[in-house]
Amino acid sequence: GAGVSQSPRYKVTKRGQDVALRCDPISGHVSLYWYRQALGQGPEFLTYFNYEAQQDKSGLPNDRFSAERPEGSISTLTIQRTEQRDSAMYRCASSLERDVGEAFFGQGTRLTVV
Amino acid sequence: EDQVTQSPEALRLQEGESSSLNCSYTVSGLRGLFWYRQDPGKGPEFLFTLYSAGEEKEKERLKATLTKKESFLHITAPKPEDSATYLCAVGEDSGGSNYKLTFGKGTLLTVNP
Repeated sequence: GAGVSQSPRYKVTKRGQDVALRCDPISGHVSLYWYRQALGQGPEFLTYFNYEAQQDKSGLPNDRFSAERPEGSISTLTIQRTEQRDSAMYRCASSLERDVGEAFFGQGTRLTVV
Repeated sequence: EDQVTQSPEALRLQEGESSSLNCSYTVSGLRGLFWYRQDPGKGPEFLFTLYSAGEEKEKERLKATLTKKESFLHITAPKPEDSATYLCAVGEDSGGSNYKLTFGKGTLLTVNP
């Protein structure tokens, strides 16, 4: 595609429900990153993939958060048993090279847990 | 742990009034200093990468510079369309692959006509 596509754009869920956030990176981009961004803050690293391999998940807050990229393209970030503190903008980015280089960000998914 | 501090938090300029944004960092092994621009409701947009002290890069009215401890984003004769949040990030040195960016909180720039 022309850019990084994330869906849904907005998600409202009840506390305790599971949610799955999708990221479709730019075609051919090797690296894919998930970030979380609070209002007025810079993006906070969650996890990173190189092709289908999850290279670093040190930023995932706890074991309710998981991510996968099974075929080295589309990625899914799953949050189980959501809590109100999970409410945030979740952003995906991809880059052509293994190093960060020039990362392209998607528009994000605004998650609200009520 | 890497730290990135941006100042000021917010800056208001008149059109044509040049100024600079600061990004100071502490990192065990710098693998790139990155500047991004973020407009309201959108994802960050890449501007520059700097790799070594003394390096400079320019794009239109923006020029980024790098020292061993900080980076500056100079804005010359800004226009209202330059209004945005400017984010600084450092690439983390880990096994030779700077796959992780640590962002600052950003500087909200407003340029009044």
